[in-house]
Amino acid sequence: QIQLVQSGPELKKPGESVKISCKASGYTFTDYAMHWVKQAPGKGLKWMGWINTYTGKPTYADDFKGRFVFSLEASASTANLQISNLKNEDTATYFCARAFNYGSYAFAYWGQGTLVTVSS
Amino acid sequence: DVQMTQSPSYLAASPGESVSISCKASKSISNYLAWYQQKPGEAYKLLIYSGSTLQSGTPSRFSGSGSGTDFTLTIRSLEPEDFGLYYCQQYYEKPLTFGSGTKLEIK
Repeated sequence: QIQLVQSGPELKKPGESVKISCKASGYTFTDYAMHWVKQAPGKGLKWMGWINTYTGKPTYADDFKGRFVFSLEASASTANLQISNLKNEDTATYFCARAFNYGSYAFAYWGQGTLVTVSS
Repeated sequence: DVQMTQSPSYLAASPGESVSISCKASKSISNYLAWYQQKPGEAYKLLIYSGSTLQSGTPSRFSGSGSGTDFTLTIRSLEPEDFGLYYCQQYYEKPLTFGSGTKLEIK
């Protein structure tokens, strides 16, 4: 079955960097884009952007340009999210998600989420 | 950006009752709307896409309706396992945007 398994929780200080991984299984990794979604504590969902898993080209939503980097380890069917120069407002759970079929943006598959806590 | 206004933010109902959740888009999004359920400790679950198409595995007591700017998720004959958070999402244009969520509690 299709699974997205994310790396574990992170505790970081302001100014540090963090890298979150999302390992996919059960399908051909390069056939579907991988999206990233942020959920701050007690808040709703915010779409961060996506990465074309075939070409490696990332696309960022406006609020996530600059300190956020999507990358791939395609041989390991893994997508990564790196956040640099962490700020308190980056404290959130980050999800990777995959659409239910090619060309759609309705997400049938979600990772379990990775909690990133930024605190001095 | 397309703003998604979801209501109510909280809902409590008894098993067997029917409930509806509304989602209004700030512009027409045709039928590019999805509904999700989140339960504690579980991954997000896609319930409905294209406004009214049930995702495989979604019980038939769930239904979605609407197009353009106004959408509704209806759960008929509530089951105890239907508690959780519900979100709508538009995918008509980027950035993809979500509603603020509805917490459904079972009395």
